[in-house]
Amino acid sequence: DAGVIQSPRHEVTEMGQEVTLRCKPISGHDYLFWYRQTMMRGLELLIYFNNNVPIDDSGMPEDRFSAKMPNASFSTLKIQPSEPRDSAVYFCASTTANYGYTFGSGTRLTVV
Amino acid sequence: DQQVKQNSPSLSVQEGRISILNCDYTNSMFDYFLWYKKYPAEGPTFLISISSIKDKNEDGRFTVFLNKSAKHLSLHIVPSQPGDSAVYFCAASSNTGKLIFGQGTTLQVKP
Repeated sequence: DAGVIQSPRHEVTEMGQEVTLRCKPISGHDYLFWYRQTMMRGLELLIYFNNNVPIDDSGMPEDRFSAKMPNASFSTLKIQPSEPRDSAVYFCASTTANYGYTFGSGTRLTVV
Repeated sequence: DQQVKQNSPSLSVQEGRISILNCDYTNSMFDYFLWYKKYPAEGPTFLISISSIKDKNEDGRFTVFLNKSAKHLSLHIVPSQPGDSAVYFCAASSNTGKLIFGQGTTLQVKP
């Protein structure tokens, strides 16, 4: 089991550009979560899916952020246009219908 | 509105001593609490959890205490080891299944 796989590990982009972060959850996990880590707020839940359907996107900061899960093995988080304050580490996590989240290694996003 | 708060950004402890990490929450609907540990350049990993029907759960060197009336939980590590140096996140959940995390506490265990 390769765990939750996120790509890229690091992303540096210029302000105004579109950024797409990718996540492959663990096979068989029917919940997928996107979190953002910052020093001030710790791990913030952005959005989560159950059986590929978005359940709660109340944590998505602005309309510039969007997330999709076209199938059970793939999800994307897109920021368009990106801004310097979006710089953070973005984590994807998956689980079955219990509390045992498995996190990916994260994507460190830097917007300059 | 931060529903889960870890008010100490950092903690430094001598090897062999006890480490106590604290966490407060505001939502009385939370019924399950967890601690995650995070090393640099890695994702958080599950450490220990406790249900709201209990007030203590122990796993080896790690013990979590829950005080529901105070809406407070703590993680005790004894004895602390240098390999325990990491960021520790407290998390809470209600019946929605989603985890709400705190800001994290960086623990440094000095040899």
